[in-house]
Amino acid sequence: DIVMTQTPLSSPVTLGQPASISCRSSQSLVQSDDGNTHLSWFQQRPGQPPRLLIYKISNRFSGVPDRFTGSGAGTDFTLNISRVEAEDVGVYYCMHATQLPHTFGQGTRLEIK
Amino acid sequence: EVQLVESGGGLVQPGGSLRLSCAASGFTLYSYCMHWVRQAPGQGLVWVSRICDDGTTTNYADSVKGRFTISGDNAKNTLYLQMNSLRAEDTAVYYCTRGSRGWRGMDFWGQGALVTVSS
Repeated sequence: DIVMTQTPLSSPVTLGQPASISCRSSQSLVQSDDGNTHLSWFQQRPGQPPRLLIYKISNRFSGVPDRFTGSGAGTDFTLNISRVEAEDVGVYYCMHATQLPHTFGQGTRLEIK
Repeated sequence: EVQLVESGGGLVQPGGSLRLSCAASGFTLYSYCMHWVRQAPGQGLVWVSRICDDGTTTNYADSVKGRFTISGDNAKNTLYLQMNSLRAEDTAVYYCTRGSRGWRGMDFWGQGALVTVSS
C-alpha cells in the first residue's frame, strides 16, 4: 500500500496569514496508464463529513474559494491557504487514488492562534 | 443537487451483522463508482470498499475482505454495505462517497452513519 505522510500534524495560524500543509507519498503517484496524478485534498470541519477541495494535484473543486491552491508532483505535494479565515478551521487530508487501496494522510489540524 | 444519505448504523455486539444503506439523489448510481470510507472515533479516514461498472466490479480493504459486501440497487438508486462478523475495531463513522468521473478520487460525501461494535 502507498503510505501518505502529512506534515505538520498541527498548524496554529493567525487569521489572515498563510498556511501550508505538506503531503508525501511512499512512491510516485503518476498513473502509468494515463500520466495523471490522482492526488486530492479534503477539508473536514468539526462535526462535518470531509469535503473535496482539490483534485489532480491542483484543480479546485466546484465552490472552493481561490485562496486554496494545490501544487506538487511525483511524491511531494502541498496545499496552501493564502489567507486563513475562521471557517478554515478543521482537519485537512491528502489522498491518492493511483491504485487500490486509496490511502489518506494522517490529517493536519488547522487551528487559529 | 447531488445528495448521499446514509442509514442503518447503530450498536451491535461483536460477531454480529449490520447493513448500511446510502440513498443517492441528483445522479444515477450505476453511472459512477461508489465507495465506503470509515473514520474511527478521533481518528483519520480509511478507505473500505468500492463498487464500479454497474456492480460487476467490487474491491475491499484487506481488513474487511470476506466479512463486508458492497452492493447497489439501481431501481432504488441505493448503495449498501453488508457487514458481518463485526469486531470492536470496526467501530467508526461510515461515509458513502461518490467516485469522480474524468479523474480518480471521490467528489461528494454523505453525512455518515455511526457503527458501534460493543458488548
